[in-house]
Amino acid sequence: GAGVSQSPRYKVAKRGQDVALRCDPISGHVSLFWYQQALGQGPEFLTYFQNEAQLDKSGLPSDRFFAERPEGSVSTLKIQRTQQEDSAVYLCASSPMRTAYNEQFFGPGTRLTVL
Amino acid sequence: DQQVKQNSPSLSVQEGRISILNCDYTNSMFDYFLWYKKYPAEGPTFLISISSIKDKNEDGRFTVFLNKSAKHLSLHIVPSQPGDSAVYFCAASAMKTSYDKVIFGPGTSLSVIP
Repeated sequence: GAGVSQSPRYKVAKRGQDVALRCDPISGHVSLFWYQQALGQGPEFLTYFQNEAQLDKSGLPSDRFFAERPEGSVSTLKIQRTQQEDSAVYLCASSPMRTAYNEQFFGPGTRLTVL
Repeated sequence: DQQVKQNSPSLSVQEGRISILNCDYTNSMFDYFLWYKKYPAEGPTFLISISSIKDKNEDGRFTVFLNKSAKHLSLHIVPSQPGDSAVYFCAASAMKTSYDKVIFGPGTSLSVIP
């Protein structure tokens, strides 16, 4: 069956460019999460949607990071004026549950490299 | 300050033997714990979980043990197989509070040698 998909899989950006990362969750999944994974580290929480409502954005590192899920399905993570420290793998996950602690289904991630 | 620690970055085990992956946490509010497995170029996949009302949960070759007083959990894989070679992440959450987002450890890379 179709899992969580993310696009692009790889993105190279010049410092200062804006980027948009897309996540297609499993159909019908209520909850959607974005994580940032630096090299050699575990995924670090960025933000959480329940349907179209962004319930928690406490993990977004700066106001350059913005996420949306306008129709409660596809989500986009946008990073404005990218910096080298933004280089990481960005993971999206979805869940059929309305809580954040249950099993999450992860996409393959988008590897962002900022030059 | 890391709230979930996996102090062994890597582990090598002979095929057929037991693999033991350890995890420590600092936040006493954590009451739900998960293990995820990750292959290269793929996202993490859920393996097994345990809530704080239990001290053991078993699923086939995988068993998770929880020691609440020591704030320690471990994942046992018996017998280990080459296909188990992956990075294993321990994760914790405080499901009884509104702060229920999952906090991941840094991972342990397991190599199972044929």
